[in-house]
Amino acid sequence: GAGVSQSPSNKVTEKGKDVELRCDPISGHTALYWYRQSLGQGLEFLIYFQGNSAPDKSGLPSDRFSAERTGGSVSTLTIQRTQQEDSAVYLCASSLGGVVQETQYFGPGTRLLVL
Amino acid sequence: DQQVKQNSPSLSVQEGRISILNCDYTNSMFDYFLWYKKYPAEGPTFLISISSIKDKNEDGRFTVFLNKSAKHLSLHIVPSQPGDSAVYFCAAKKDSNYQLIWGAGTKLIIKP
Repeated sequence: GAGVSQSPSNKVTEKGKDVELRCDPISGHTALYWYRQSLGQGLEFLIYFQGNSAPDKSGLPSDRFSAERTGGSVSTLTIQRTQQEDSAVYLCASSLGGVVQETQYFGPGTRLLVL
Repeated sequence: DQQVKQNSPSLSVQEGRISILNCDYTNSMFDYFLWYKKYPAEGPTFLISISSIKDKNEDGRFTVFLNKSAKHLSLHIVPSQPGDSAVYFCAAKKDSNYQLIWGAGTKLIIKP
């Protein structure tokens, strides 16, 4: 079946503009994660959705970042008033049920460049 | 404050030989560890994991070793193949928490 998909694959924007990044998880997966990978760094946790529970937003770096997940499926990560330090690869992952030791499946990422 | 460290940014190994990738962690509460592999322009894919109740887990050519007293784990690939060339990430979590804490990755290059 289809894996996790993300769009756009690349995004170049000007400082101060808003961007929206989309994630389509694997069908049937109830858990969804957003990560960010800056150049030369490991993945940084941003936010976690599990079913209808309130999301864990503890990793969001500032209030310019927000995410939603509609209908328990597609998720959108929004960055308002982008800054150059927001430039990174944004990765989305999903897993079957949010059990702590289950495998997370990743999308290819969105490469964001803020000029 | 990096809780998971991969101190070698890159590693070059001859095809057919053993590749050893290392990872160190600082948080003694971590009790589940994973290795992910990442090709360019793709997301990471799960490779192998180990629980802290074990010191070794093997899956085909891949073996992960865990030394809890040293807070160190390693991934062994034997024999190394050209398709193994990728970036390898070590990640850790506390069993009660879904958050993965990631290392910065090691780029493995398998030379023909």
